[in-house]
Amino acid sequence: KQEVTQIPAALSVPEGENLVLNCSFTDSAIYNLQWFRQDPGKGLTSLLLIQSSQREQTSGRLNASLDKSSGRSTLYIAASQPGDSATYLCAVESNTGKLIFGQGTTLQVKP
Amino acid sequence: DVKVTQSSRYLVKRTGEKVFLECVQDMDHENMFWYRQDPGLGLRLIYFSYDVKMKEKGDIPEGYSVSREKKERFSLILESASTNQTSMYLCASRSRGRRTEAFFGQGTRLTVV
Repeated sequence: KQEVTQIPAALSVPEGENLVLNCSFTDSAIYNLQWFRQDPGKGLTSLLLIQSSQREQTSGRLNASLDKSSGRSTLYIAASQPGDSATYLCAVESNTGKLIFGQGTTLQVKP
Repeated sequence: DVKVTQSSRYLVKRTGEKVFLECVQDMDHENMFWYRQDPGLGLRLIYFSYDVKMKEKGDIPEGYSVSREKKERFSLILESASTNQTSMYLCASRSRGRRTEAFFGQGTRLTVV
C-alpha cells in the first residue's frame, strides 16, 4: 500500500530564507506527483505537477524535483515571504487513479 | 480559470439528519473525488467517480454515498449524520488522462451536533 510522508511536520523560518520541504513515498510506481498549498480553513491550491517521466518543474520562486527511484520529492521555495505561510501537501497518483496525500508541512515565515 | 465550487462553506446539522454536499466543476472533467480532512489524519478519500453514474469506494466509504447524474456535479450524501462525521469535506476534479492536475473546491466545514 502506498504511503506518503512529509517531513518536517512544521517549519518556521525568517523572511528571505530559502527552504526545502520533503515528501517521500513507499511505492515508486507512480504516475505523477503534485504539490498543493492550503491556507487555514480553505481548500487546496495546486502549485506544481511533476509527471513520472520528469525530474523537476518550476513556477516562479518554486521548484519541485522528483526522484522516483528513491521515492522522494522536494519543494524548494526561494526567498521566502510571509505570504508563503501555509500548509504544503504533496500527493502521488497511484496506478488506480487515486491521489494519496502526505500529512503536510505547516510553514511559517516570520517578517 | 478552472473552477470547482462546493455549495456551502459551513454547515451545521443534527445527528440523524440526511445531509447533501454538492460539488460542481466547469472544466468538463471526467474524474471527481470526495475527501475528508481531519487533524492528524490528513486527507482521506471517501468516494470517487470516473464518469457519469460511475463510482468507486475510497478508503473510508462507510456512512456515505454519492451521486453523479451529470458530468459536472458530484454529490456526497450522509445517510444519517453522526458526530464523528464532523469534518472538513473537500471535493476535487481532474481530467481522465493520468498525467493531469487535480483541482479542489474551497471546502465545506460540516459540524454535526
